[in-house]
Amino acid sequence: QSALTQPASVSGSPGQSITISCTGTSSDVGAYNYVSWYQQHPGKAPKLMIYDVSDRPSGVSDRFSGSKSGNTASLTISGLQAEDEADYYCSSYTSSSTVFGTGTKVTVL
Amino acid sequence: VQLVQSGAEVKKPGESLKISCEGSGYSFTTYWIAWVRQMPGKGLEWMGIIYPGDSDTRYSPSFQGQVTISADKSITTAYLHWSSLKATDTAMYYCARPISNSPWGGIDYWGQGTLVTVSS
Repeated sequence: QSALTQPASVSGSPGQSITISCTGTSSDVGAYNYVSWYQQHPGKAPKLMIYDVSDRPSGVSDRFSGSKSGNTASLTISGLQAEDEADYYCSSYTSSSTVFGTGTKVTVL
Repeated sequence: VQLVQSGAEVKKPGESLKISCEGSGYSFTTYWIAWVRQMPGKGLEWMGIIYPGDSDTRYSPSFQGQVTISADKSITTAYLHWSSLKATDTAMYYCARPISNSPWGGIDYWGQGTLVTVSS
């Protein structure tokens, strides 16, 4: 199974909104609503930001939202803040396994 | 909920290794535990997942046959085992627990990571 495809980098200014895409296939993203998004700061463990396409765990800011259309899932960060600068990974269920995305580095200008 | 992993390891190619992940603060037998690899400077890779209640285990095709995932529910500990390490196994390894008792939902709780270095 191949990794889900994400843009290598996305940037935005404080206060702006950015969207990160996660493209899979009809065997993973397109087939199931088990899409999650993770934030990872350097040297830290990943943090769950979105699960089941659009649900937020308790304690995660509502500036983070998720959606899906066909084989592509998206994470939107609104009101971008300096602390949002990190790597972001999507993941999806596929055939009794899970596959992660290639990762996106978010830079706050 | 806490997942506490064993400490960093330095091993030689061909050696065996088992790292551990002790769960506490929740019902260990009713939540799956996953293992995730992160090679230096690279992205996350899902390795496999185990249900400690009955040791039902699923592997990523990329890791099937390369590692063994196990659990001892009597001491609420999951394990990741290599029988013969390679230099390419050098990575940070995380154990993690999904947010619900489905194995495929988001992973909400993470261990601190175990750094494995394989070098001659």
